[in-house]
Amino acid sequence: DTGVSQDPRHKITKRGQNVTFRCDPISEHNRLYWYRQTLGQGPEFLTYFQNEAQLEKSRLLSDRFSAERPKGSFSTLEIQRTEQGDSAMYLCASHRQASSYNEQFFGPGTRLTVL
Amino acid sequence: AQKVTQAQTEISVVEKEDVTLDCVYETRDTTYYLFWYKQPPSGELVFLIRRNSFDEQNEISGRYSWNFQKSTSSFNFTITASQVVDSAVYFCALSDPASSGTYKYIFGTGTRLKVLA
Repeated sequence: DTGVSQDPRHKITKRGQNVTFRCDPISEHNRLYWYRQTLGQGPEFLTYFQNEAQLEKSRLLSDRFSAERPKGSFSTLEIQRTEQGDSAMYLCASHRQASSYNEQFFGPGTRLTVL
Repeated sequence: AQKVTQAQTEISVVEKEDVTLDCVYETRDTTYYLFWYKQPPSGELVFLIRRNSFDEQNEISGRYSWNFQKSTSSFNFTITASQVVDSAVYFCALSDPASSGTYKYIFGTGTRLKVLA
């Protein structure tokens, strides 16, 4: 257990529905990342927060995706009008600024299946 | 551009054999960080090792060892006397804050290791 939690662990939804995932990082970590991992691939960067500010978004993050980190604590990732191509594992990671090695601590992931 | 290549898609070995997983990276910067993670069937990413670009010392941790060579841009991982519990997908990752402006990871596509009893 890395100390990063994600909820839910699994989500099955029908195409067109909206889904929201939550990530709770390690409390003193001010940086939070979202990644997406499709079958047989490595995780790919989606977006990054420093405290409550969203500082970078990947081109993978279409306008159906939105992420927030109110008050710089937990973060949510919402997908609107889900498509079958959104089926993937969504991973959250946190990291403390000024840590010597930039090690990110990953949560267990949320596995999304869109039917 | 930053890139991580894990050319071995899948490796099968018999228990107690040694196995090396290859990782080649690309970056234009002199300051960067490299990592290895293990992903068992349950899906979580388990941290194994980190290395910064200024530390070329090889490292051994139990049955695991890592060979970092800047001259060939490689960061290879060897498991000695493999065990069935080592079966997993292994990912190599690069973090290159100078180029990317963030500490995001660039992952390779992973190597699936199967250790047969």
